[in-house]
Amino acid sequence: QKEVEQNSGPLSVPEGAIASLNCTYSDRVSQSFFWYRQYSGKSPELIMSIYSNGDKEDGRFTAQLNKASQYVSLLIRDSQPSDSATYLCAVLRPGANSKLTFGKGITLSVRP
Amino acid sequence: NAGVMQNPRHLVRRRGQEARLRCSPVKGHSHVYWYRQLPEEGLKFMVYLQKENIIDESGMPKERFSAEFPKEGPSILRIQQVVRGDSAAYFCASSPGTETALHFGNGTRLTVT
Repeated sequence: QKEVEQNSGPLSVPEGAIASLNCTYSDRVSQSFFWYRQYSGKSPELIMSIYSNGDKEDGRFTAQLNKASQYVSLLIRDSQPSDSATYLCAVLRPGANSKLTFGKGITLSVRP
Repeated sequence: NAGVMQNPRHLVRRRGQEARLRCSPVKGHSHVYWYRQLPEEGLKFMVYLQKENIIDESGMPKERFSAEFPKEGPSILRIQQVVRGDSAAYFCASSPGTETALHFGNGTRLTVT
């Protein structure tokens, strides 16, 4: 089992729709969770971080975390063509020497 | 405040040559990470360094690859005797401490011909 899995994708939604991106992780002790957006040929850019169970909203983005089920998701409301990118889920275990582990990413395409 | 600076942006090497990739972290960040990304793949961890120390190099190939983060100057990822399979985007990231989000540089795209 991979440490961080993002199995669904590529995902295509019409402009204005809600895009739902899912991620599961295997290590129960993981404490910190991040969503990065990466445009083609560019570097990853942090868009959301979440540390406790529940929802965290920032503008059109909502991150959801369920530690019991070991999944974290990202909802993008009112999707725009500019949201078309690859979304990377990243998980961090606690500890002084921990490192961020990434999923493979989900490519989102928003159709005008 | 400048972000993570990587250079060169693009690097072309012939098989057998050496590649040197440089990374200057965000000012004040003492933690540096190197990741490799192949086309259509996620980011694979290579090495984690703090000033003058390698903390975790579990993702680094045992041969030909080395990394350093000296007391003065940028972090360097060095690949000796490059092969075609080394062609990838190499990203450097930094953070001010542990258990925090990473800030990525623009990457170095290495092409081995």
